[in-house]
Amino acid sequence: AQTVTQSQPEMSVQEAETVTLSCTYDTSESDYYLFWYKQPPSRQMILVIRQEAYKQQNATENRFSVNFQKAAKSFSLKISDSQLGDAAMYFCAYFGERGAQKLVFGQGTRLTINP
Amino acid sequence: GAVVSQHPSRVICKSGTSVKIECRSLDFQATTMFWYRQFPKKSLMLMATSNEGSKATYEQGVEKDKFLINHASLTLSTLTVTSAHPEDSSFYICSARDWGTTYNEQFFGPGTRLTVL
Repeated sequence: AQTVTQSQPEMSVQEAETVTLSCTYDTSESDYYLFWYKQPPSRQMILVIRQEAYKQQNATENRFSVNFQKAAKSFSLKISDSQLGDAAMYFCAYFGERGAQKLVFGQGTRLTINP
Repeated sequence: GAVVSQHPSRVICKSGTSVKIECRSLDFQATTMFWYRQFPKKSLMLMATSNEGSKATYEQGVEKDKFLINHASLTLSTLTVTSAHPEDSSFYICSARDWGTTYNEQFFGPGTRLTVL
């Protein structure tokens, strides 16, 4: 079965600085997607960024970018120019195209932004 | 992006009663919806996959007789917690898959906080 591991329960960063959240996963599948979701205090799950496994180029969305290392099964999220609104729980998630076809979530990382 | 609603957002009930939570996809058809449970400061735990017109698929350890799921239309799935007890108190989140998108993206509802007294 696929697993997703986030080894950092909590992280903090100064406003305007850069922070990287770690995520590793385990799978034997070749076709899959990886996601980072943000869950602010409202608890609404918000998609931050997605990465298709077949793409070598790292995905970017404005201040958010990923470092996708397929061989190492690593998928970290970098947040640049951190803002107070970035404070939230961040979940890494895996979706296999041909397997169970359901999202597998990591344990989450709580990110605090210090003003 | 597509919108998924959940109703109610909060519900308080007495032990032994049943509670129904609705999940609706507002601007797309969702043949597949998912129900999650989330404990405080924890990750989302998938309870079941709801397929329109067929029986739900429950994850291991989830009591199907306690958590009844009905997906009678392409835009509505319901989760009924039967004979609720205090240990059923939790945050329940639904999501809906939009098969029309390139990535079969899932969109999440805002969640329902259930408190059983």
